[in-house]
Amino acid sequence: GESVGLHLPTLSVQEGDNSIINCAYSNSASDYFIWYKQESGKGPQFIIDIRSNMDKRQGQRVTVLLNKTVKHLSLQIAATQPGDSAVYFCAEKGSARQLTFGSGTQLTVLP
Amino acid sequence: DAGITQSPRHKVTETGTPVTLRCHQTENHRYMYWYRQDPGHGLRLIHYSYGVKDTDKGEVSDGYSVSRSKTEDFLLTLESATSSQTSVYFCAISDRSGRTDTQYFGPGTRLTVL
Repeated sequence: GESVGLHLPTLSVQEGDNSIINCAYSNSASDYFIWYKQESGKGPQFIIDIRSNMDKRQGQRVTVLLNKTVKHLSLQIAATQPGDSAVYFCAEKGSARQLTFGSGTQLTVLP
Repeated sequence: DAGITQSPRHKVTETGTPVTLRCHQTENHRYMYWYRQDPGHGLRLIHYSYGVKDTDKGEVSDGYSVSRSKTEDFLLTLESATSSQTSVYFCAISDRSGRTDTQYFGPGTRLTVL
């Protein structure tokens, strides 16, 4: 899951397996959430988003689940590929209409 | 990348010198943002703009100023750089088209202040 510590949480998965990356958000008033992927030396890349009136949204090989009761967001990646290796982080939009970002999870795909 | 460029991509400077980073977009989006990214922290908002000549402070604005004289350009200035401003700086854009507030990011500028 997400952490504000000095070291990113890590997740290692075998190529072809499914990955689940978790994020605990802080603001119960947040109404919009985004998952980003960031490869080394690059800017964050939009993956998928979800509004608070939904609990699940699917994209190509990715699914985002939102549990507002426990303020938890997860990103599921199906059939993980080597190109999926990156840092993944979530962002939430609260009442201030600005995004607040988590510090990320490092996903490593093993051959 | 969503039509966003940042310049320079890398810069090394000395404490006390002024530094200006440039963000240029070709998407005609109204909103532009400057973030910094440091180990152990998520992206933190420095300043943002909601239109030409319209800007506001973010979470970590001390020591930074911004200007936006054209829709496509958003400048971030460190008036007198300090070592604590060594970081990777990202520009982002958003059109806030009503349904979503998705922000799209540029490639980043790595700034080292010696």
